[in-house]
Amino acid sequence: LAKTTQPISMDSYEGQEVNITCSHNNIATNDYITWYQQFPSQGPRFIIQGYKTKVTNEVASLFIPADRKSSTLSLPRVSLSDTAVYYCLVGDGLGRDDKIIFGKGTRLHILP
Amino acid sequence: DAGITQSPRHKVTETGTPVTLRCHQTENHRYMYWYRQDPGHGLRLIHYSYGVKDTDKGEVSDGYSVSRSKTEDFLLTLESATSSQTSVYFCAISVSVGNTEAFFGQGTRLTVV
Repeated sequence: LAKTTQPISMDSYEGQEVNITCSHNNIATNDYITWYQQFPSQGPRFIIQGYKTKVTNEVASLFIPADRKSSTLSLPRVSLSDTAVYYCLVGDGLGRDDKIIFGKGTRLHILP
Repeated sequence: DAGITQSPRHKVTETGTPVTLRCHQTENHRYMYWYRQDPGHGLRLIHYSYGVKDTDKGEVSDGYSVSRSKTEDFLLTLESATSSQTSVYFCAISVSVGNTEAFFGQGTRLTVV
């Protein structure tokens, strides 16, 4: 399993774009990059997943450079409700790993 | 939302007593997981299952056991509860592990006094 490193915490203001970067220097060829969001007192929720370049959905965008050693989760125009912990995970796209391991995540605090 | 239910949602128990937490799914997903979450530690994997009667240890399995006799149920047992096992426990399910999402239950808040 590739280890991931992300900032422990970040602050931003409502209406701003927030970018959270995750480092995964040992990512393997078959690994996908997945981001989860967790609100207080709730279980994590899948946000977005990608393999390379850029992926966008209604919630966020995920940017992955060509070397795939890092990825950036981009949240456009955040609101107070985006205050949460965001987890970056790297996993084998062929499903050869049986477990899903979370790191400590990035605690994002949105200020008014 | 994925059909995953944890029970009980809250429990207070005494040190030394056995406790069983239940995770029930209606999605027929192969993989099921138990995590605990404590301040400063994020989510830590306790045990997981990759099929009926197929289980394995995670990062913090000491003091816990699991059973999966049916696809839909994954039980977590604290054999003799200790105060260090006071935590919020989350169950998760997924179709596979690699490039699919996992769905989480609402959590069980367990307090051992």
